[in-house]
Amino acid sequence: TQLLEQSPQFLSIQEGENLTVYCNSSSVFSSLQWYRQEPGEGPVLLVTVVTGGEVKKLKRLTFQFGDARKDSSLHITAAQPGDTGLYLCAEPDNAGGTSYGKLTFGQGTILTVHP
Amino acid sequence: EAQVTQNPRYLITVTGKKLTVTCSQNMNHEYMSWYRQDPGLGLRQIYYSMNVEVTDKGDVPEGYKVSRKEKRNFPLILESPSPNQTSLYFCASGRTGFVSGANVLTFGAGSRLTVL
Repeated sequence: TQLLEQSPQFLSIQEGENLTVYCNSSSVFSSLQWYRQEPGEGPVLLVTVVTGGEVKKLKRLTFQFGDARKDSSLHITAAQPGDTGLYLCAEPDNAGGTSYGKLTFGQGTILTVHP
Repeated sequence: EAQVTQNPRYLITVTGKKLTVTCSQNMNHEYMSWYRQDPGLGLRQIYYSMNVEVTDKGDVPEGYKVSRKEKRNFPLILESPSPNQTSLYFCASGRTGFVSGANVLTFGAGSRLTVL
């Protein structure tokens, strides 16, 4: 099972600041997903990145997939209190190249944005 | 509304008393999976199912059983719960096509289980 390392584990910032969360592995990712989870709810998929070097934007969130597909980052610009939550990266098994199968999560980054 | 429904949402039980956490989805998804979430460990996969009558172990299957007799339901069974199974459990479903931006995994709201 591939190990996904997320950093930092905790992040506490003021509204308006920028931040970056990282997800790394010693092996090549087949693809990578980022989720956000709010208290009392299940994770919600934010994005899936597949191609090395890929950059995707979702409003103030920018997701990058490393060229070698061994790392990914999530950058939030001008963070707002509504961004508070647990951010998780996850790798689908994709062993057959076509499906979820096993899904391995990182341990998560707990983000708190203070007004 | 497209959703994954788990029951119960909260349960306190005692060691050894068999219990079942139900999971149902209304999206006709082939793929379903169970995870447990513990502080500092993220989500760990217990079992998954690629389709009816097809189930496979995830990373932490010990002490759990599952069945997939019909497409919409994927119950998680704890035959003899122990305190180390106290956790927050999530069920999820999705299509079994290529994992891309179009293939979204949908999670239930979670079931918090306490085993005394």
